[in-house]
Amino acid sequence: EDQVTQSPEALRLQEGESSSLNCSYTVSGLRGLFWYRQDPGKGPEFLFTLYSAGEEKEKERLKATLTKKESFLHITAPKPEDSATYLCAVKGPTGANNLFFGTGTRLTVIP
Amino acid sequence: GAVVSQHPSWVICKSGTSVKIECRSLDFQATTMFWYRQFPKQSLMLMATSNEGSKATYEQGVEKDKFLINHASLTLSTLTVTSAHPEDSSFYICSPSQALRTEAFFGQGTRLTVV
Repeated sequence: EDQVTQSPEALRLQEGESSSLNCSYTVSGLRGLFWYRQDPGKGPEFLFTLYSAGEEKEKERLKATLTKKESFLHITAPKPEDSATYLCAVKGPTGANNLFFGTGTRLTVIP
Repeated sequence: GAVVSQHPSWVICKSGTSVKIECRSLDFQATTMFWYRQFPKQSLMLMATSNEGSKATYEQGVEKDKFLINHASLTLSTLTVTSAHPEDSSFYICSPSQALRTEAFFGQGTRLTVV
């Protein structure tokens, strides 16, 4: 059965304090690992898609990496506006385009 | 990214009444629409999948007679929560999809509170 586990559940950082969020996955035939940002009361906002081990993508202060078992979302010198819940998801089995989500990491960046 | 319009953003209704949620794909034709539900501090869970012009497919544990999905056009899908109960209170999110698009985009979500 496909599983996505995110850790930590919550993370508090001082502004400028870099850290990483983890997403461990078990899926039969990875067809994409996705990172989203979700603000309270809003739908998920797309950040990155990774397809193969060793792949990396960057956007501003965020960098996503992928191995065969997990993905990391690195946040460099975070700002208060980076505070949100970060969701990791994998695409369903072959033929299905729905996403299977982890429970997210709630990030709070303190000024 | 794709532009998805979901309406309303929040709704409060009485037990036993029905609520309709609309999801519009504004800049591409959504051959498939996914409907997710998110309870507090939980992940998004797929409720149902609908293909334009076909009946929706529901995930295990989701009552098809309670959550009516209409996907009559490539740009509009609706989810109707019938005879709502307090346990149906949740955050409902749509995600239009097209076979050639690899990323998934989401509506803004609808916060349903049943009192």
